Amino acid sequence: NAGVMQNPRHLVRRRGQEARLRCSPMKGHSHVYWYRQLPEEGLKFMVYLQKENIIDESGMPKERFSAEFPKEGPSILRIQQVVRGDSAAYFCASSPGDRAYEQYFGPGTRLTVT
Amino acid sequence: EDKVVQSPLSLVVHEGDTVTLNCSYEVTNFRSLLWYKQEKKAPTFLFMLTSSGIEKKSGRLSSILDKKELFSILNITATQTGDSAVYLCAVLPNSGYALNFGKGTSLLVTP
Repeated sequence: NAGVMQNPRHLVRRRGQEARLRCSPMKGHSHVYWYRQLPEEGLKFMVYLQKENIIDESGMPKERFSAEFPKEGPSILRIQQVVRGDSAAYFCASSPGDRAYEQYFGPGTRLTVT
Repeated sequence: EDKVVQSPLSLVVHEGDTVTLNCSYEVTNFRSLLWYKQEKKAPTFLFMLTSSGIEKKSGRLSSILDKKELFSILNITATQTGDSAVYLCAVLPNSGYALNFGKGTSLLVTP
């Protein structure tokens, strides 16, 4: 039973480019959460999605960031026109149903903006 | 604003030592407190604590919650180099699903 998969593991983008981060939840999990970990900071919640629905995006920056979890395929976190301050580790977690206390984390995508 | 504070921020011990990691929180509508171990990859789940005073134990690791004083401790006895990691504490509010993490305690166990 594969865990939460994220790719790529490392992503380098120049300022102004787009970054696409992918997350495949654990088998049988239909709820996905994205967190961001800035250097020297704890993980911060960004967005919570179910299939085809954004449930809570209160932690997402208002501009340039978007997330989706289509009926088929992985969840995508998209960052447009990246800036240096977007450099961070982005973690995805999934849970079975709405059991948020059972969030299993992926290995993260480390985004570096040059 | 809800707050989760972990201490110490970093710790260096020798193999065989016992360590105690602290997590205090100011969170409205508290539901559960969770501990994770983060090596250079995914945070992995250690414990979930919901009730005060009940110790959770797994091998050399144990944890307990004090809901009156709003804190939890994670104990590791007879530490090994493989225990070196960042230990994260997170609080889950009653009305949500967004884990509220502390900054973590970085533990280094030297041989």
